[in-house]
Amino acid sequence: DSGVTQTPKHLITATGQRVTLRCSPRSGDLSVYWYQQSLDQGLQFLIQYYNGEERAKGNILERFSAQQFPDLHSELNLSSLELGDSALYFCASSVSLTGEQYFGPGTRLTVT
Amino acid sequence: DAKTTQPPSMDCAEGRAANLPCNHSTISGNEYVYWYRQIHSQGPQYIIHGLKNNETNEMASLIITEDRKSSTLILPHATLRDTAVYYCIVRPPLNTGTASKLTFGTGTRLQVTL
Repeated sequence: DSGVTQTPKHLITATGQRVTLRCSPRSGDLSVYWYQQSLDQGLQFLIQYYNGEERAKGNILERFSAQQFPDLHSELNLSSLELGDSALYFCASSVSLTGEQYFGPGTRLTVT
Repeated sequence: DAKTTQPPSMDCAEGRAANLPCNHSTISGNEYVYWYRQIHSQGPQYIIHGLKNNETNEMASLIITEDRKSSTLILPHATLRDTAVYYCIVRPPLNTGTASKLTFGTGTRLQVTL
């Protein structure tokens, strides 16, 4: 158990819909990262927040957005969902901007 | 980011040492080598990292060649629970803006057998 929690574990929704994935980092960690893992693309970095501010951006689509709240939990919002957005979404946290990242169990999103 | 090359799969007998190689011939002097593993769709798990010297922790040892162009992750006594995909990652210098993200390749699928 890494100490990072993610909800929900599974999510099934239809194309065109909007969903929110939630992540609680390990106690004391200020940095939160989001990754997407699909069968054809592998594990890809999406975005990083540190103490409430966006710090790094990867291959995140414009339909996706994230934020980190004052209590340091983070949410990843996915809108106008397409079949290709079906994937595992992982959240990770680290104590600093560049510390070791500890991953949560993931949210499996299925878009039908 | 420096590219890494790993064999797609390896087998290891339980109780034996598993030696997982990684080539990173374009690594620069201040880039770190990180290892993570992923057990069957669970979240990736941090194992170990190093810069130049060999490193050891409770999970594994990391041997980095003197020219830093390759490294080997050693699991000293592999068990069935070590069956996973192992990722070797070269991380940009920690004082740069791109240090945050981990760039995962395809990794090595290690199968530990009885």
